[in-house]
Amino acid sequence: EVQLVESGGGLVKPGGSLRLSCAGSGFTFSNAWMSWVRQAPGKGLEWVGRVKSKADGGATDYAAPVKGRFTISRDDSRNTLYLQMNSLKTEDTAMYYCTTNHLWHLRYWGQGTLVTVSS
Amino acid sequence: EIVLTQSPGTLSLSPGERATLSCRASQSVSSSYLAWYQQKPGQAPRLLIYGASSRATGIPDRFSGSGSGTDFTLTISRLEPEDFAVYYCQQYDSSPMYTFGQGTKLEIK
Repeated sequence: EVQLVESGGGLVKPGGSLRLSCAGSGFTFSNAWMSWVRQAPGKGLEWVGRVKSKADGGATDYAAPVKGRFTISRDDSRNTLYLQMNSLKTEDTAMYYCTTNHLWHLRYWGQGTLVTVSS
Repeated sequence: EIVLTQSPGTLSLSPGERATLSCRASQSVSSSYLAWYQQKPGQAPRLLIYGASSRATGIPDRFSGSGSGTDFTLTISRLEPEDFAVYYCQQYDSSPMYTFGQGTKLEIK
């Protein structure tokens, strides 16, 4: 059974930093392309960014609102995906989900971790 | 950037009825790139349909997807109580890679 478990969310002040983690199991993590998707309270879904598998080059791509502030990385030895978030803004407040990418859709989702940016 | 517009915003139906949800794209989208998700309160989204019409593993056959070009539809043939939720369509493009519609809330009448 595929499982994705996010952690690391919490309350942070504007301008601060936070690192989210996503532990994967039940699949070959090293082969997986992975994404982060967020959802502001009461709002819709917004894709944040993606990392390819190392075998496919390991490149990352980001949505415009987070480019230059957020960094996605992976540690395949730990089956873990990361989202480093810097220069946080109040509009980054959201539930953050990690997902597996399958071709052009997002197959498996974690339960999410909540990030609140507030003074 | 391709924009997805879902309609209606809210759909009120009774169990046993048929639900038809629409997703319209601002530009033509390859059918391969169109997916649908279901999200219940307090839960993560769940993939229902990919490639516009293929059901994901474990999805009941009362869910079906159709459409091409700029118009796509999610149909639930006979609503079960557990189907009342928010539904999102999603498309893949070069940038940004994944965009979602604003969602349709399916509520019990």
